[in-house]
Amino acid sequence: ILNVEQSPQSLHVQEGDSTNFTCSFPSSNFYALHWYRWETAKSPEALFVMTLNGDEKKKGRISATLNTKEGYSYLYIKGSQPEDSATYLCASPMAAGNNRKLIWGLGTSLAVNP
Amino acid sequence: DAGVIQSPRHEVTEMGQEVTLRCKPISGHNSLFWYRQTMMRGLELLIYFNNNVPIDDSGMPEDRFSAKMPNASFSTLKIQPSEPRDSAVYFCASSLGRTTDTQYFGPGTRLTVL
Repeated sequence: ILNVEQSPQSLHVQEGDSTNFTCSFPSSNFYALHWYRWETAKSPEALFVMTLNGDEKKKGRISATLNTKEGYSYLYIKGSQPEDSATYLCASPMAAGNNRKLIWGLGTSLAVNP
Repeated sequence: DAGVIQSPRHEVTEMGQEVTLRCKPISGHNSLFWYRQTMMRGLELLIYFNNNVPIDDSGMPEDRFSAKMPNASFSTLKIQPSEPRDSAVYFCASSLGRTTDTQYFGPGTRLTVL
């Protein structure tokens, strides 16, 4: 069974700090790694979809890297702002037969203090 | 595009009543997902349809829950009879269905069962 894990569970940083957190997933039968951002009282929104080993993606102050051989991805936030406060979820597709459901981590909850 | 549409946005009902949640996926998307947000499990997949056919319903809690997708533009999640422990936010999401495709989430339905 595919298991996606995230660490830390929660994180408190000061405005302006840079931070990063980890998503780990089984490296065998890898298809893709998804990152989502989920603000309180809103819906999850996609940040990145990553597929290639060594891939690096960036959106503003947020970037992500991918290592499919060892089964982990890092999400980095440079110069955190209060509006970055959210839960960051990663997920990997199951891809068993015609089942393409995402297996989700429990998320890292980030709080940025002004 | 209007995005994924869910109705109602809020539902308050009494224990034992039937509850029906509705979802209209993004036009052209062939995969539809029903999720429940819980404190313990985070984003919990209930059921997943591909081309209107249920692919994975392993997350449906029990027989009180049922879901249908009669056509490509409409799905329902029904709870009968409802119980207080069903109180949660229920999200519907849709995607193009491949492992690299983003899931787009609706605004969610906040269900309260008294």
